[in-house]
Amino acid sequence: SAVISQKPSRDICQRGTSLTIQCQVDSQVTMMFWYRQQPGQSLTLIATANQGSEATYESGFVIDKFPISRPNLTFSTLTVSNMSPEDSSIYLCSVRRGPGTEAFFGQGTRLTVV
Amino acid sequence: QKEVEQDPGPLSVPEGAIVSLNCTYSNSAFQYFMWYRQYSRKGPELLMYTYSSGNKEDGRFTAQVDKSSKYISLFIRDSQPSDSATYLCAMSAENAGGTSYGKLTFGQGTILTVHP
Repeated sequence: SAVISQKPSRDICQRGTSLTIQCQVDSQVTMMFWYRQQPGQSLTLIATANQGSEATYESGFVIDKFPISRPNLTFSTLTVSNMSPEDSSIYLCSVRRGPGTEAFFGQGTRLTVV
Repeated sequence: QKEVEQDPGPLSVPEGAIVSLNCTYSNSAFQYFMWYRQYSRKGPELLMYTYSSGNKEDGRFTAQVDKSSKYISLFIRDSQPSDSATYLCAMSAENAGGTSYGKLTFGQGTILTVHP
């Protein structure tokens, strides 16, 4: 398994501001992902965080709104920019050690935008 | 049509019952299948991970995959109140270099309540 630490665990933010979420893994992993879980909904992939290069975004998600960094194999950040109430969700970091391996999740960041 | 459809529930069962949770999918490229349990205000916790068709058992949990029918199931025996949670199926295709590489596609989740 993998121990994943996500910070902050929750936050309440004003619209128009930005929040950066951190994801730290206890060991090196090949793959890191960011998911969003809107209230009462399932998980939707935002992007794959690529080490040393630009993230790969899913349809409907853009870099200007959700910039992602991954400076090494154990750490990534997701920024939610220019927030609106529609961005109120749980944001989850996920890791896989490699292809065909299990995927593990952090505890999530519960974001409320007012 | 969504790539993964999960029986929405909610399900309410008495303690000790056998629970069956099910998902169907349309993408024949899916090779890896996972079941997660998510308690309220927590991240998803991996319960079962399987590859290809067949059964896999772990304690009170059995995961079943039928790739020919594009159908997966999770069975919970002797259900306990502590099993009350949302259960999510997830699956992935591993086409290296493709746009789906490594990512999971989730079902909508089934809320399970086990009452004493």
